[in-house]
Amino acid sequence: EAQVTQNPRYLITVTGKKLTVTCSQNMNHEYMSWYRQDPGLGLRQIYYSMNVEVTDKGDVPEGYKVSRKEKRNFPLILESPSPNQTSLYFCASILSGGPSSYNEQFFGPGTRLTVL
Amino acid sequence: DQQVKQNSPSLSVQEGRISILNCDYTNSMFDYFLWYKKYPAEGPTFLISISSIKDKNEDGRFTVFLNKSAKHLSLHIVPSQPGDSAVYFCAGVASYDKVIFGPGTSLSVIP
Repeated sequence: EAQVTQNPRYLITVTGKKLTVTCSQNMNHEYMSWYRQDPGLGLRQIYYSMNVEVTDKGDVPEGYKVSRKEKRNFPLILESPSPNQTSLYFCASILSGGPSSYNEQFFGPGTRLTVL
Repeated sequence: DQQVKQNSPSLSVQEGRISILNCDYTNSMFDYFLWYKKYPAEGPTFLISISSIKDKNEDGRFTVFLNKSAKHLSLHIVPSQPGDSAVYFCAGVASYDKVIFGPGTSLSVIP
């Protein structure tokens, strides 16, 4: 089954404690993204990766890091989480770039992060 | 500054009637638009899209209309069904592959 998986699904942590949210896709997609969803703001892109070892900032990259060492994995790293990073996070993947490819954008189930 | 706006946070419609969800955008670089649907505890899923060279795209009960001069698009669902109750996100894609989502509209279809 084609899917994007994220772990953990729920996480409560404290300010300053480094954490990683994993993301994996089994569709051999080149393009992967991380989004955060906040009330009234919709989905905002944090980082994206067009292929292995190629990453770039989205609209809200501050406080986040990513890496793309393998095609299937795209972890999101919060080196020093703060309460304003409390949010719902989604990983997504697309086969390749180009506007119409977003018709086939697959999202993971989400990770609910709370930073105290 | 929000480049994609969905000014109705929520909408309630009777089953069988038409649901109209609206979206306005400010970025003239958008050349492709999408609607995604999201159920609670799940990731968004693609619903329907439209290229900026078209003014209408239809897929079963779902039709998206684009008015480029007004920078406005709308999603029509006819007839509405209880299973359509979800949050709907409008999104614009610029030619440089940047996708910008709106804040979403929560649709409730009442049986």
